[in-house]
Amino acid sequence: KAGVTQTPRYLIKTRGQQVTLSCSPISGHRSVSWYQQTPGQGLQFLFEYFSETQRNKGNFPGRFSGRQFSNSRSEMNVSTLELGDSALYLCASSQPGGFGEQYFGPGTRLTVT
Amino acid sequence: DQQVKQNSPSLSVQEGRISILNCDYTNSMFDYFLWYKKYPAEGPTFLISISSIKDKNEDGRFTVFLNKSAKHLSLHIVPSQPGDSAVYFCAASPPTAGNMLTFGGGTRLMVKP
Repeated sequence: KAGVTQTPRYLIKTRGQQVTLSCSPISGHRSVSWYQQTPGQGLQFLFEYFSETQRNKGNFPGRFSGRQFSNSRSEMNVSTLELGDSALYLCASSQPGGFGEQYFGPGTRLTVT
Repeated sequence: DQQVKQNSPSLSVQEGRISILNCDYTNSMFDYFLWYKKYPAEGPTFLISISSIKDKNEDGRFTVFLNKSAKHLSLHIVPSQPGDSAVYFCAASPPTAGNMLTFGGGTRLMVKP
């Protein structure tokens, strides 16, 4: 089985712009979660989607949003980018009933200048 | 506030010896705990998990111990191998939100040949 794929792998944006990141889960996985990793805050949960519905949400401002499509692929969007949004954004997928045993993609490295 | 803490940023161990990585948590609602391993330029990889109804779970060279009264868990790797050198994250989730993981800050393990 192919692993979790994320595109693009690297991205440079300017403050104030918006960005969309994409994630394709492992085939058969219906849950997709997004995490932000920064040196200061570590790995932080953004949100989880299951069957096209947001199931859980972390403590991030409304500028961070996501969606999931019928084929389980997911996108996350960050609007009005700030310098502090520079981070590694990780997507993870899991099987139904998988208690936190998530499979992570390699991440998208976002740099905001 | 950090609900999951890994107080040792790094650990160095000789090949063949035991590696012990520690993790403390403050939220008594957490009932499922996991360990992930991360190599550079890759996403975290699931290692082993434990439910709060158990105090030990073993998988090959990896054993996780949970002390609920102390809100402490540890990962033992025996014997340690150079390929185990990576950053290890502990994570926790509350009931009914299994994919909403709270991660510790990570411990960098170096296993010397």
